[in-house]
Amino acid sequence: RKEVEQDPGPFNVPEGATVAFNCTYSNSASQSFFWYRQDCRKEPKLLMSVYSSGNEDGRFTAQLNRASQYISLLIRDSKLSDSATYLCVVGGSNAGNMLTFGGGTRLMVKP
Amino acid sequence: GAGVSQSPSNKVTEKGKDVELRCDPISGHTALYWYRQRLGQGLEFLIYFQGNSAPDKSGLPSDRFSAERTGESVSTLTIQRTQQEDSAVYLCASSLDTSGTYEQYFGPGTRLTVT
Repeated sequence: RKEVEQDPGPFNVPEGATVAFNCTYSNSASQSFFWYRQDCRKEPKLLMSVYSSGNEDGRFTAQLNRASQYISLLIRDSKLSDSATYLCVVGGSNAGNMLTFGGGTRLMVKP
Repeated sequence: GAGVSQSPSNKVTEKGKDVELRCDPISGHTALYWYRQRLGQGLEFLIYFQGNSAPDKSGLPSDRFSAERTGESVSTLTIQRTQQEDSAVYLCASSLDTSGTYEQYFGPGTRLTVT
């Protein structure tokens, strides 16, 4: 089983739609959680951190469920510019306390 | 401020040649990571450095791969006797430390093509 699992997609949605991604992680000792965004042929960039209480940044809402070991990302009012691959990232649990990246979920927002 | 920089941005080399890739982390970041990303694939961890500690080389795919870092600054990733399967984007990232608390910031990558 992969340490961090995501549905690879693609998720094809129309502009203005609400879309949600889930991610599961295997190590219950994980301490930190992030969502990154990666555009085609570009490097990953931090989208937002994920806090236990849940957090929101504009149209983006991230939530963490420690009991079920999953993280979610909700995007409201999708824009064409939201088209990208979204990487779920978990860290702070292994010997090196490194971040572990999921394989990514691809989102395509269409006009 | 300045982000993570990598050079060269693109490298085309013949099979069997050695290549050296360079990464300049964000100033003050003690942790530095190298990843490989093949076309259409996820990130593959290669190696990380944390301060003056021995690097974690657990992700290096073969003994043809090695990396060095001078103190808490520049790092070089060397691939000897390149093979076609080494073709990928090599990404470097840095963070304040490896506690997992801090996010990683990525450079733009070096696109390596082995012909």
